[in-house]
Amino acid sequence: QQPVQSPQAVILREGEDAVINCSSSKALYSVHWYRQKHGEAPVFLMILLKGGEQKGHEKISASFNEKKQQSSLYLTASQLSYSGTYFCGTEMNGNKLVFGAGTILRVKS
Amino acid sequence: DGGITQSPKYLFRKEGQNVTLSCEQNLNHDAMYWYRQDPGQGLRLIYYSQIVNDFQKGDIAEGYSVSREKKESFPLTVTSAQKNPTAFYLCASSYTPGQGVSEAFFGQGTRLTVV
Repeated sequence: QQPVQSPQAVILREGEDAVINCSSSKALYSVHWYRQKHGEAPVFLMILLKGGEQKGHEKISASFNEKKQQSSLYLTASQLSYSGTYFCGTEMNGNKLVFGAGTILRVKS
Repeated sequence: DGGITQSPKYLFRKEGQNVTLSCEQNLNHDAMYWYRQDPGQGLRLIYYSQIVNDFQKGDIAEGYSVSREKKESFPLTVTSAQKNPTAFYLCASSYTPGQGVSEAFFGQGTRLTVV
């Protein structure tokens, strides 16, 4: 039941853009995005609810297509601090929060 | 300070022994979760609880057990039935405002090693 994330890993130079995708085979109530630095706990970035909304957080934004059961995270003008593993979490019925396998993002100077 | 605390940070267990991982939160959250993290497999849900005295199995519950006797506490027991328990375990909690789940707050994790 884990959502599928792509790509598995991406390497960027500072200032470049990236897109991370998340898709599910089950109907979703909401989609969460988190970032985890090595050896640390995952940190919340944003949550998107049903309704196809788009949200932004500094230079990081996301969209949620409820019909296609897909979400995408957009990172623009990447900075070194964006490096880490990004997880999408999908909420299904009954407050069950399930995460994908993660996308490793590395930003080089 | 409000937050979620896991202990211990590192735990070593002999094969055949049960071990309990602690998770406490003072955020007044109703929902609590346990995840297992292995390299390349992301966060896999073990158990979750929406309310005191109630919990549900996640995707990989075999070999684990939990209890939720208090709102603040959600301990996880790794039993001897768990075939490959060496992993990083993360506990999380969230507020459930009527419908859906708000952002999840994670503890710092417990790294369990079977020796």
